Amino acid sequence: KQEVTQIPAALSVPEGENLVLNCSFTDSAIYNLQWFRQDPGKGLTSLLLIQSSQREQTSGRLNASLDKSSGRSTLYIAASQPGDSATYLCALGGAGGTSYGKLTFGQGTILTVHP
Amino acid sequence: KAGVTQTPRYLIKTRGQQVTLSCSPISGHRSVSWYQQTPGQGLQFLFEYFSETQRNKGNFPGRFSGRQFSNSRSEMNVSTLELGDSALYLCASSLGWGGPHNEQFFGPGTRLTVL
Repeated sequence: KQEVTQIPAALSVPEGENLVLNCSFTDSAIYNLQWFRQDPGKGLTSLLLIQSSQREQTSGRLNASLDKSSGRSTLYIAASQPGDSATYLCALGGAGGTSYGKLTFGQGTILTVHP
Repeated sequence: KAGVTQTPRYLIKTRGQQVTLSCSPISGHRSVSWYQQTPGQGLQFLFEYFSETQRNKGNFPGRFSGRQFSNSRSEMNVSTLELGDSALYLCASSLGWGGPHNEQFFGPGTRLTVL
């Protein structure tokens, strides 16, 4: 059974800092990994999708890496802003077959960026 | 392009009642997945539908059921509601097959409160 752990559970940083969020998983037979953000009481917004054959993806100030052999992914946020404050979730898609629509989520990292 | 929509956004029910939630996927998406989010358990996968067929199912009791229509819209039903069913119910849509097309897009959720 896939287990996903996100560290730290909460993080508070001053505006402008670069930061790294960590995600680890137990089963490396994944199809993809997706990072989301969730604002309080809202749905999930997709940030980045990394296919299992890829090592990293970048979008603006965000960079996500994937190392299947060690069961780890990191989300790097450059020059953080107060608007980045949210809960960040990583989610793993099962390997092949008919598991495309099933994501296994970590518990999330609550990020607070203060001015 | 319109995003994933869910109706209603908020529901209050009493124990023993049943409830139906609706999800309209992004135009052209054929896969719809449902998730339950609670503070204690986080995000848990309920089921996935693709082309009107249930393709995958999570570990939830039979009181939770769903269906998908020919236009890809999906409904989920919870019968005999229990207090523990209070949660944010999220649906996600995707094109439905592997590769870069498997990015999941989430709706805003339906907040269900059971009294």
